[in-house]
Amino acid sequence: EIVLTQSPATLSLSPGERATLSCRASQSVSSYLAWYQQKPGQAPRLLMYDASNRATGIPARFSGSGSGTDFTLTISSLEPEDFAVYYCQQRSTFGQGTKLEIK
Amino acid sequence: VQLLESGGGLVQPGGSLRLSCAASGFSFSTYAMSWVRQAPGRGLEWVSTISGSGGTTYYPDSVKGRFTISRDKSQNTLYLQINSLRAEDTAVYYCAKNPTSLWTQYNWFDPWGQGTLVTVSS
Repeated sequence: EIVLTQSPATLSLSPGERATLSCRASQSVSSYLAWYQQKPGQAPRLLMYDASNRATGIPARFSGSGSGTDFTLTISSLEPEDFAVYYCQQRSTFGQGTKLEIK
Repeated sequence: VQLLESGGGLVQPGGSLRLSCAASGFSFSTYAMSWVRQAPGRGLEWVSTISGSGGTTYYPDSVKGRFTISRDKSQNTLYLQINSLRAEDTAVYYCAKNPTSLWTQYNWFDPWGQGTLVTVSS
């Protein structure tokens, strides 16, 4: 079974800064990786699929990259509404999440 | 596209519950559907998927034999039957739509319903 490891567990940044979140797979998953954003009390929302494709309605400041075992979600300039928990996912497996908090 | 879960509540250990997910805004039979849960303060855990036709179901070992996923195309409704409930089943249960009719590597969950809370306690 594939294991997804996200880092860091918590990322403290200020609005306007660039955020870089990492997801590493225990074996190659090609480009079959998705990213989600979850805010408190809300359901997760799909951000990216197939590693680098933005889901419908997702702002262009969100971008995804990577293939094989190493993936990155980048938020180019943080907006106040971007502070949330982010999960990566491959088929049936989710990473443990990265909490993006305001510094 | 809208997904609306119902059926959660407080259940005693060993009890059973059936969750429902009413789907609208898309061709229900065309897509696989899934359930994902989230225990309080924890991460996301996939618990089942059913193919678009309803002919194939998938479960992780952690719930196999206790959870049963099904779908009613006439009602555009997804179900999750949970038996022999344990304290560790306490979670918000989300239903979600898959991008194709099958459960493959090419998979993600979008959209998600708002979730229904299942609490297992005596």
